Amino acid sequence: KNEVEQSPQNLTAQEGEFITINCSYSVGISALHWLQQHPGGGIVSLFMLSSGKKKHGRLIATINIQEKHSSLHITASHPRDSAVYICAVRRDNYGQNFVFGPGTRLSVLP
Amino acid sequence: EAQVTQNPRYLITVTGKKLTVTCSQNMNHEYMSWYRQDPGLGLRQIYYSMNVEVTDKGDVPEGYKVSRKEKRNFPLILESPSPNQTSLYFCASSLYPYSNQPQHFGDGTRLSIL
Repeated sequence: KNEVEQSPQNLTAQEGEFITINCSYSVGISALHWLQQHPGGGIVSLFMLSSGKKKHGRLIATINIQEKHSSLHITASHPRDSAVYICAVRRDNYGQNFVFGPGTRLSVLP
Repeated sequence: EAQVTQNPRYLITVTGKKLTVTCSQNMNHEYMSWYRQDPGLGLRQIYYSMNVEVTDKGDVPEGYKVSRKEKRNFPLILESPSPNQTSLYFCASSLYPYSNQPQHFGDGTRLSIL
């Protein structure tokens, strides 16, 4: 079983829809990182959080440490949100190294 | 402009010919890391460094070396590259290893080893 899992694997939405991507993990963590990878391959960091909720523009990330679960929400989705969204956890060991989920491919249609 | 710069962006080379991928950041970040991305396997951490002269193995360190002699640079060295190291490589940095400051990623280096 992978240490970090994401659902759904693929997601197609109509412009304007509310989108939720889920991440669950099985290891102890000190933080969780949401990343966005565009078709060209570049990776952008969206959020790093260890508790509660963070919001930036139309994006909201939440984490529930007890349930080992995080969600990324996109409100009023737009075609430019089309990308792969990757969840990564920072293990709570000495090295604080990262383990990544498989990604969720999002396509937002106009 | 704050950035992480990787070079080269693309490289095709042959088995056994030593190569170095450079990574430089201009944000005075303490934490730097190398990742590889492969279809079906996603991103995996190769090596990371929590500060100058402090490096540690990630999940897939075999066949790679790194060094951190100065804060801004973190080169990835393939002493004897093999075809299974064909991959897309990313360097990233963040301010402190234990903070919730997000990582900044370079644009990626696509390596093909024949």
